[in-house]
Amino acid sequence: QSVLTQPPSVSGAPGQRVTISCTGSYSNIGAGYDVHWYQQVPGTAPKLLIYGNNNRPSGVPDRFSGSKSGTSGSLAITGLQAEDESDYYCQAYDSSLSGWVFGGGTTLTVL
Amino acid sequence: QVQLVQSGGGVVQPGRSLRLSCAASGFSFSSYGMHWVRQAPGKGLEWVAVIWFDGSNKFYADSVKGRFTISRDNSKNTVYLQMNSLRAEDTAMYYCTRYPGNGRYFDYWGQGTLVTVSS
Repeated sequence: QSVLTQPPSVSGAPGQRVTISCTGSYSNIGAGYDVHWYQQVPGTAPKLLIYGNNNRPSGVPDRFSGSKSGTSGSLAITGLQAEDESDYYCQAYDSSLSGWVFGGGTTLTVL
Repeated sequence: QVQLVQSGGGVVQPGRSLRLSCAASGFSFSSYGMHWVRQAPGKGLEWVAVIWFDGSNKFYADSVKGRFTISRDNSKNTVYLQMNSLRAEDTAMYYCTRYPGNGRYFDYWGQGTLVTVSS
């Protein structure tokens, strides 16, 4: 059971927009800690996708965007491409656990 | 460019020990904190431990507290994870990651090293 809750899977057709939710609590996202997102192609290391709720590292396409509201965060991917098929993880800091926590991960399928 | 090159994984019996290493290059290693994150086969990501840039603070997940020790040698640009009293549930891919100074996230990841605890 992960501290942050994500849907196990989402899907969309090429060109469409999908969103992935990340629900936390008042000890992590709701406490004001930022939400961060990682992309992991199976068999490879995760890669930072979004940091500080809505910031993209250099090299990440602007098709990827993040947001945060209350105790939840969200990742949006527009103009879906086949290469976006990956697992996506959200992450925050938790003050009750005094540690870094992740969501369970969401598998994106491009139809 | 930032590189984190890991070594030290393998198969180990329950109760035994193993040490992982992560050699950093391409940045000022002594200015950054470092973490270890693991991923059990077919499962999600789990934070394991963090060490401050100067080694002054170390924090652990409850699941490894008292058994794992994170350390670093800034003269060798290397961070370590000493894993003692290993259990089957410690079987995972272990990643070292860099802790940037502007937020509580992981900006660069090593390639991962597999630890299998099995008799």
